Amino acid sequence: NAGVTQTPKFQVLKTGQSMTLQCAQDMNHNSMYWYRQDPGMGLRLIYYSASEGTTDKGEVPNGYNVSRLNKREFSLRLESAAPSQTSVYFCASSAGAWDSGANVLTFGAGSRLTVL
Amino acid sequence: EDQVTQSPEALRLQEGESSSLNCSYTVSGLRGLFWYRQDPGKGPEFLFTLYSAGEEKEKERLKATLTKKESFLHITAPKPEDSATYLCAVQPGSGGYNKLIFGAGTRLAVHP
Repeated sequence: NAGVTQTPKFQVLKTGQSMTLQCAQDMNHNSMYWYRQDPGMGLRLIYYSASEGTTDKGEVPNGYNVSRLNKREFSLRLESAAPSQTSVYFCASSAGAWDSGANVLTFGAGSRLTVL
Repeated sequence: EDQVTQSPEALRLQEGESSSLNCSYTVSGLRGLFWYRQDPGKGPEFLFTLYSAGEEKEKERLKATLTKKESFLHITAPKPEDSATYLCAVQPGSGGYNKLIFGAGTRLAVHP
């Protein structure tokens, strides 16, 4: 059981370049999330998808776009990378949205992104 | 403003030396409080959910407790394999799905 799989694990970009982080889960979860983790700070939600076909902004959405491709896959795109987007990115999934009570998150291993 | 503060930032223990990690929160109501463990280079892994003051949960050497203002993660007779960063997260009573507030974590190192 793979759980949540993220690719790539590491990436170095130059300012202005674009890239897409891929995420897939095999637990038949309805909700998927993208977080970023920076030193000395808590995990911060970038975007969220409550179910297939829906996406919503989180706390820090500027500079990012997402696509819920199907129930399994949720991608995060940086259109024009900036040094401030240097971070570790985590994809997560849960059986349901927060209101349902099925809100325990299962995280991927993370993608470390450096923007020069 | 909703806020979660974890202390200490880092903790070094000898194997067998029990201690507690603190998670204090200021939120508008509380829907749930979560503890996660994060090993270096990996994603957080779920440990416990607490919903109301007075509630306690246990798993092996870990015990989580909750009051109206804070939660403690008690570690009894820790082993080196308990070394990790422990994250606390709070879901406020209002704000819906996107209001899960994480603390910055406590880095625990347990030495033989």
